[in-house]
Amino acid sequence: KQEVTQIPAALSVPEGENLVLNCSFTDSAIYNLQWFRQDPGKGLTSLLLIQSSQREQTSGRLNASLDKSSGRSTLYIAASQPGDSATYLCAVGGFNKFYFGSGTKLNVKP
Amino acid sequence: EAGVTQFPSHSVIEKGQTVTLRCDPISGHDNLYWYRRVMGKEIKFLLHFVKESKQDESGMPNNRFLAERTGGTYSTLKVQPAELEDSGVYFCASSQEQLNTEAFFGQGTRLTVV
Repeated sequence: KQEVTQIPAALSVPEGENLVLNCSFTDSAIYNLQWFRQDPGKGLTSLLLIQSSQREQTSGRLNASLDKSSGRSTLYIAASQPGDSATYLCAVGGFNKFYFGSGTKLNVKP
Repeated sequence: EAGVTQFPSHSVIEKGQTVTLRCDPISGHDNLYWYRRVMGKEIKFLLHFVKESKQDESGMPNNRFLAERTGGTYSTLKVQPAELEDSGVYFCASSQEQLNTEAFFGQGTRLTVV
């Protein structure tokens, strides 16, 4: 059974810092991995999708990497802004479902 | 293009009552998924439709939960009778293909059973 862990559970940084969010999973036989953000009371917004054959994906200030063999993914956020404050969720793609981590709650202080 | 839409956004019902949640996927998305998060735990899979067919309902907690997707468009998730432990946020997602395509989630329905 796939287990997904996200570290840290919460993170508070000053504006402008570069930061890394971590996601680890126990079963390397995955189809893809998707990073989401969730704002309070809102749904999940897709940030990046990495296919199992890919090593990384970039979108703007966001870069996500995937190392299947070690069961790890990282989400790198460059030059963080207060608007980046949200909960970030890692979802590991199985055959027909995602396995979610508990999320990292990020607070970027002005 | 409209995203995944869920109704209602909030529902408060008494134990023993029935509640029906609705999900409208993105137009053209054959794959529709239901997930839920209860009591601050991880979001967990409930079931997966391809068009109107249930492909996997291994995550459904028990037979008090019934999901349908008549005509392969919108889906409903009925809880009957509701219990206190059913409280949580129910998310719907859709994707164009089953594998290796981006999944889009709705805003969720927050269900509170009192």
